[in-house]
Amino acid sequence: GDSVTQTEGLVTLTEGLPVMLNCTYQTIYSNAFLFWYVHYLNESPWLLLRSSTDNKRTEHQGFHATLHKSSSSFHLQKSSAQLSDSALYYCALSPNSGTYQRFGTGTKLQVVP
Amino acid sequence: DMKVTQMPRYLIKRMGENVLLECGQDMSHETMYWYRQDPGLGLQLIYISYDVDSNSEGDIPKGYRVSRKKREHFSLILDSAKTNQTSVYFCASRRGTNAETLYFGSGTRLTVL
Repeated sequence: GDSVTQTEGLVTLTEGLPVMLNCTYQTIYSNAFLFWYVHYLNESPWLLLRSSTDNKRTEHQGFHATLHKSSSSFHLQKSSAQLSDSALYYCALSPNSGTYQRFGTGTKLQVVP
Repeated sequence: DMKVTQMPRYLIKRMGENVLLECGQDMSHETMYWYRQDPGLGLQLIYISYDVDSNSEGDIPKGYRVSRKKREHFSLILDSAKTNQTSVYFCASRRGTNAETLYFGSGTRLTVL
């Protein structure tokens, strides 16, 4: 079945350093959508980025990700971490024939001064 | 105003008691979801509802059931709650295709003693 893998449970970074959160996936569907959601403490998770286009960079709020179907990856990046980026980040997959979104285990990003 | 509302925010129950978690949305979305969030496990899909009285099991349906009698309202029921059902429960809704984002509620933190 479909699956999403986020290998880092916790990433701790110093403010100003680049961010890269890993996401790889498995699916049999060629036109699956990949998503990044961000979840701040005591709030609702919300959509940060999404893409289904191979090798196209998607950007929002200073974050970017590129879907690489050849390596089944959709890593989240930012050039310079801010303290306000500290949150839980989820990668999710929605197959083109399905109505569900399957989430990874999440990566907690902790940005310190 | 696009909103998913969950009630209650916090709930403490004793093992063996019945639990009702309520979710409402004001966007007329056909599809609604229940997820649970646990550290290290991420968001796990419990149930999907495609519309009124059209529900489907997700990945971890055991111990749960759902009810959807109106499009805007989706309930999660735990008959005889167990301590391992202590978790944060999120309701979400989505319109249309797999390209669309999920809109999440603010979650219910359930503790089963």
